[in-house]
Amino acid sequence: KQEVTQIPAALSVPEGENLVLNCSFTDSAIYNLQWFRQDPGKGLTSLLLIQSSQREQTSGRLNASLDKSSGRSTLYIAASQPGDSATYLCAVKNSWGKLQFGAGTQVVVTP
Amino acid sequence: EAGVTQFPSHSVIEKGQTVTLRCDPISGHDNLYWYRRVMGKEIKFLLHFVKESKQDESGMPNNRFLAERTGGTYSTLKVQPAELEDSGVYFCASSHDNRGPGETQYFGPGTRLLVL
Repeated sequence: KQEVTQIPAALSVPEGENLVLNCSFTDSAIYNLQWFRQDPGKGLTSLLLIQSSQREQTSGRLNASLDKSSGRSTLYIAASQPGDSATYLCAVKNSWGKLQFGAGTQVVVTP
Repeated sequence: EAGVTQFPSHSVIEKGQTVTLRCDPISGHDNLYWYRRVMGKEIKFLLHFVKESKQDESGMPNNRFLAERTGGTYSTLKVQPAELEDSGVYFCASSHDNRGPGETQYFGPGTRLLVL
């Protein structure tokens, strides 16, 4: 049975620092891994999707890596800004369709 | 292009009542998913439609939940009768083609359900 874990549950950093968010999964037979952002009271915004054959994806200040053999993904956010404050969720797709989510990391970037 | 929309945004009902949630996927997306997040837990899958057919309903908690997708367009999720533990946020997502590893699911803003 697949389990997805995100550590830490919460993180506070001063503006300008780099953010490192971790996601681990127990079953390496995944189709892809997706990182989402959720703002309070809002829906989920897809940030990056890494296919199972890929090692990393980049978009602007965001970079996500994937190591299937060790069951880990890391989301890096460079030069954090107060606007990066949100909950970040990772989700794996390991069967035809459904996503399995971690519990999320709540990030606060202080000015 | 409009995103995934959900209605209502909030619903407060009493235990035993019926509530119907609606989701309109992105136009042209054959795949529609329902997920929910109950208090303190992670987001969990409920079911998956491909067009009007239920592809996977393994996450539906019990027979008080009924999902339909009329004509392969919008979908409704009915809870009847609602119980206290049904409170949470119900998300809908859609995607164009989920047969490959490149599928991105696009999420709606969610419906916040509170059962009193």
